[in-house]
Amino acid sequence: QSALTQPASVSGSPGQSITISCTGTSSDVGGYNYVSWYQQHPGIAPKLMIYEVSNRPSGVPDRFSGSKSGNAASLTISGLQAEDEADYYCSSYTSSSSVVFGGGTKLTVL
Amino acid sequence: QLQLQESGPGLVKPSETLSLTCTVSGGSISSSDSYWGWIRQPPGKGLEWIGTSYYTGSTYYSPSLKSRVTISVDTSKNQFSLKLSSVTAADTAVYYCANGRIRSRVDYWGQGTLVTVSS
Repeated sequence: QSALTQPASVSGSPGQSITISCTGTSSDVGGYNYVSWYQQHPGIAPKLMIYEVSNRPSGVPDRFSGSKSGNAASLTISGLQAEDEADYYCSSYTSSSSVVFGGGTKLTVL
Repeated sequence: QLQLQESGPGLVKPSETLSLTCTVSGGSISSSDSYWGWIRQPPGKGLEWIGTSYYTGSTYYSPSLKSRVTISVDTSKNQFSLKLSSVTAADTAVYYCANGRIRSRVDYWGQGTLVTVSS
């Protein structure tokens, strides 16, 4: 299985909104509502930010939102803050009963 | 609050078997709403899902690693383990143990442990 496709980098200024895309196939993103998004700061373990396409775990700010259309999912961060600067990874359940990650997107807050 | 801690050798020789253990605290590995798994991250690269197991012994592996991977659960020790055979330099990575309420996501992560494959 191939990794999901994410842009290598995105950037935005404080207060702005950005969207990170995650493109797969009908065998993963398009076939299941089991898309998750993780935030990873340098040197530490990732943190779950969104699960099942659009659900936020307790403690995750509502500035973070997720959506899906067809074979593509998206993570939107509104009201960008300096602490949002990190790497972001999407993942999806697949038709082979496994999980596949995206290649990751580096978010820079200008 | 569930806590996970990886342990095992930080250096493994090529062609040998990488073995890691994850100790679970703050919860039971026999919980009916938990899956236990492993994810790795080569230095400077992205995340790669290795596989996951339910406490009953049901396992699910990455198709690309399936022939070399075994994940097992020890309910008596509240631990689970990873074995990856015939390792090469490409298996050098930070290995994370993980927990999820369903097998498609990770709710809790260990801190990660770097395993280097080198002679």
